[in-house]
Amino acid sequence: QVQLVESGGGVVQPGRSLRLSCAASGFTFSSYGMHWVRQAPGKGLEWVAVIWYDGSNKYYADSVKGRFTISRDNSKNTLYLQMNSLRAEDTAVYYCASFPSSWGQGTLVTVSS
Amino acid sequence: QAVVTQEPSLTVSPGGTVTLTCGSSTGAVTSGHYPYWFQQKPGQAPRTLIYDTSNKHSWTPARFSGSLLGGKAALTLSGAQPEDEAEYYCLLSYSGAGGVFGGGTKLTVL
Repeated sequence: QVQLVESGGGVVQPGRSLRLSCAASGFTFSSYGMHWVRQAPGKGLEWVAVIWYDGSNKYYADSVKGRFTISRDNSKNTLYLQMNSLRAEDTAVYYCASFPSSWGQGTLVTVSS
Repeated sequence: QAVVTQEPSLTVSPGGTVTLTCGSSTGAVTSGHYPYWFQQKPGQAPRTLIYDTSNKHSWTPARFSGSLLGGKAALTLSGAQPEDEAEYYCLLSYSGAGGVFGGGTKLTVL
């Protein structure tokens, strides 16, 4: 069955960097666009970024543009999110998702000094 | 970036019908926004109910349906069950700009 497993979350100081990974299995990863979505504690869902199936196009939310980079390695069935210049407001559970159907369980990123 | 609007909260009686809507600050929502609807229960990851306006997954209960209504995307629940109490989010896609979620609708079955 389809599985998306995020990793790489944790506690990080403001201004530092973190890289999230999402390991995909159970489907042809290289055929699907992939998304990152986040959810701050007690808040709604926020779309973060998308990457085309072949990596040819990437789009970002205004709130992360210029700081976050989405990428993928189709040979490893893995999606990444490089997060730089982190701010307190980036604190959230980060989900990877393969629309139209699948979501991971999320990884928590806490930005705090 | 566009703003997507949803009702903050709605209440439906068991067995009743309710429609949740999803509007866009840029104008009418069309099929070209590829509207999605997601359900999220406390402590759980979201799950996709409806994609591309009205398409369902195998796990989507038949009582849920998606449509375009009055310039908005709509999610209609017919015959509400207690287990449908949850937060519902819509997602619209904007060409060349990615996606935007609505703020979510907290649905109470009471």
